Amino acid sequence: ILNVEQSPQSLHVQEGDSTNFTCSFPSSNFYALHWYRWETAKSPEALFVMTLNGDEKKKGRISATLNTKEGYSYLYIKGSQPEDSATYLCALRGVGGSQGNLIFGKGTKLSVKP
Amino acid sequence: DGGITQSPKYLFRKEGQNVTLSCEQNLNHDAMYWYRQDPGQGLRLIYYSQIVNDFQKGDIAEGYSVSREKKESFPLTVTSAQKNPTAFYLCASIKGQGAPDTQYFGPGTRLTVL
Repeated sequence: ILNVEQSPQSLHVQEGDSTNFTCSFPSSNFYALHWYRWETAKSPEALFVMTLNGDEKKKGRISATLNTKEGYSYLYIKGSQPEDSATYLCALRGVGGSQGNLIFGKGTKLSVKP
Repeated sequence: DGGITQSPKYLFRKEGQNVTLSCEQNLNHDAMYWYRQDPGQGLRLIYYSQIVNDFQKGDIAEGYSVSREKKESFPLTVTSAQKNPTAFYLCASIKGQGAPDTQYFGPGTRLTVL
C-alpha cells in the first residue's frame, strides 16, 4: 500500500513569517503530486499539480518544488498571513492509478497568528 | 456558478439505518469520487465512477453502495453493514482521465451515528 507522509502535523507561525512543509512519497511509484489547501468549513481547493522532477510552481506567495527521484515535495509560504491558516494536503497519483485514485497524506495544519 | 454540492451538511443516523448522501456537480465532469475522512487520517477513497452507469470500489468500499444513473449525480448510501460510519464524507469530480488534472471537491457531509 502506498504511503504519503506529511510533516509537520501542525505548525504555528506569526504573521509575516515564512514557512515550509514536506510531503514524502515512494519515488518508485510516482505519476503526479497534488497540493490542496483546505480551510475550515470550506471545500479543499487545488493549489498545484506537479509531474516533472525539478518542477517548481508558484501561486502568489505560495510555491512548491518536486523531487521525484528522492520522493518529496516542499510547499513554501512566504510572509504568512492569517488567511493562509488552513490544512495543506498533498496527494499522490501512482503509476497505473486513475485521476481520482489519489493517496492523501494526513495534512499539515497551519495556524498564522496576527 | 459551477461547482459541486453535497447535502445534507450534517446527518444523524440511528444504528441499523441506511442513509444516502447526495452529491451533484454541474461542471460537466466525467468522473466522480467519494472520500471519507476520520480524525488524524488522510482522505480515503470509498467509490469512484469514471462514466455513467459504471463505478468501481475504492480502498474502503465495504458497507457502502453508490449509483451513477446521471452524469451530474453520484449518491452514496451508507448501509447498516458499515461498522463505523461516523465520519466526514467528501465528494469530488474531475473532467477526464487524461493528463493530470485537479479534482474539485464539495463542501462535505458530516455523518454521526447515534
